[in-house]
Formats: sequence, C-alpha cells, structure tokens
Amino acid sequence: SQKIEQNSEALNIQEGKTATLTCNYTNYSPAYLQWYRQDPGRGPVFLLLIRENEKEKRKERLKVTFDTTLKQSLFHITASQPADSATYLCALAGAAGNKLTFGGGTRVLVKP
Amino acid sequence: ETGVTQSPTHLIKTRGQQVTLRCSSQSGHNTVSWYQQALGQGPQFIFQYYREEENGRGNFPPRFSGLQFPNYSSELNVNALELDDSALYLCASSLSQDGIYEQYFGPGTRLTVT
Repeated sequence: SQKIEQNSEALNIQEGKTATLTCNYTNYSPAYLQWYRQDPGRGPVFLLLIRENEKEKRKERLKVTFDTTLKQSLFHITASQPADSATYLCALAGAAGNKLTFGGGTRVLVKP
Repeated sequence: ETGVTQSPTHLIKTRGQQVTLRCSSQSGHNTVSWYQQALGQGPQFIFQYYREEENGRGNFPPRFSGLQFPNYSSELNVNALELDDSALYLCASSLSQDGIYEQYFGPGTRLTVT
C-alpha cells in the first residue's frame, strides 16, 4: 500500500539557519507533490506544488526538490524565523485527481 | 473573496449517534474534499465531490457519506459514531479536481465522541 513518511521527530533550529525536511514515499507514482503548513488548531495552508518532471521549485525563502528516482522530496526554509514554527505536511496527488495523500507531518520550532 | 468555512467548530456526540458537518467552499471552486485528522497525524482522505458527484473515496466505511449542493457547499454525515471517529474533520475546496490544483482548507470541525 502507499506509504508517505516524514520525520515525526520535531526539528529544532536556530533563527537564521536553514531547516530541511524530508518526505519519502513508496508504492506510489505521484504526478504532483505539494507542501502545506499547519498551525495548531487550524487547517493546512498550501505552500508549494512541484510536478513529477520538475526537479526544483522556489518561492521566497522556500525551496522544494523532487527526486522521483529516490522517491523523495526535500523542503527547505532558508533564513528561518520564529514565525516559521509550525507543522509541515507533504502530500501526493496523482494525475487523475487531486485526492491528496498526506504524510504525518514534521513539526518545526525556530528558536530566536 | 470568502475562504472555506466549516460549521460547527466543535461538537461532542455520544457513541452510536449521527452527526452532520457542513462546509462552504471558496467562491469559484467546484470541488470539495473531506479529510479526517487524528491528533498528531496527517489528514486522511475521506472522499471528494466534483460538481455534485462523488469523485473518489478513501478507505472509510459506508457510514461516512456526503453530499454536494448546486452552490458547491458540502455536507459530511457520519452514522453510528464510534470512539475512534473523534478527530478534526477538514474540508478543502479547489478550482477543479485535477491534481495540479492546490486545496484551500477550512479551519476544521473538532468532533469528540464519548
């Protein structure tokens, strides 16, 4: 069955450093990979989408890479700020529809 | 532009009861998806509605059912509630059903089953 793994251990990082999160998947051939941010008690908020034929995507301080051979995506937050503290979710979608299959999320805590 | 709204915010029900959760999609969006999120886990796909028709279903029993109305708002109904149904229920709308479209989530309904 499809499996998506994110590091369940919280990532503690100093302000100004780069946070790197990993999303690994098995038994899946996604057409799109999306990253969401979720704050406590709130719904996820879309951040970035990357297609299967794209290697890298950037948006402001965020960068996503997608390696379909390794079945892995990396999510980077550069120059991290305390306001970046949240849980980050990766989600996969097939070509036929945008039913999202989510990973368990990684909590990031940026310390001033 | 109004975002995705859900009601109620919180709900407490007893095992065996039935519940209806409501979702208003973002203006211009014709696709609504429902997710269940247990504490400390990622959201799990329940089903999706596209132009009032069910358009895919996750691994949830038939006692989870839904509807989408002509204005694209949606309902999630859960019958014969079980303790394990306690979770945050998220509704998300998108411009269409294709995988390239991101989803806009509502704030969720926190359901507690006792």
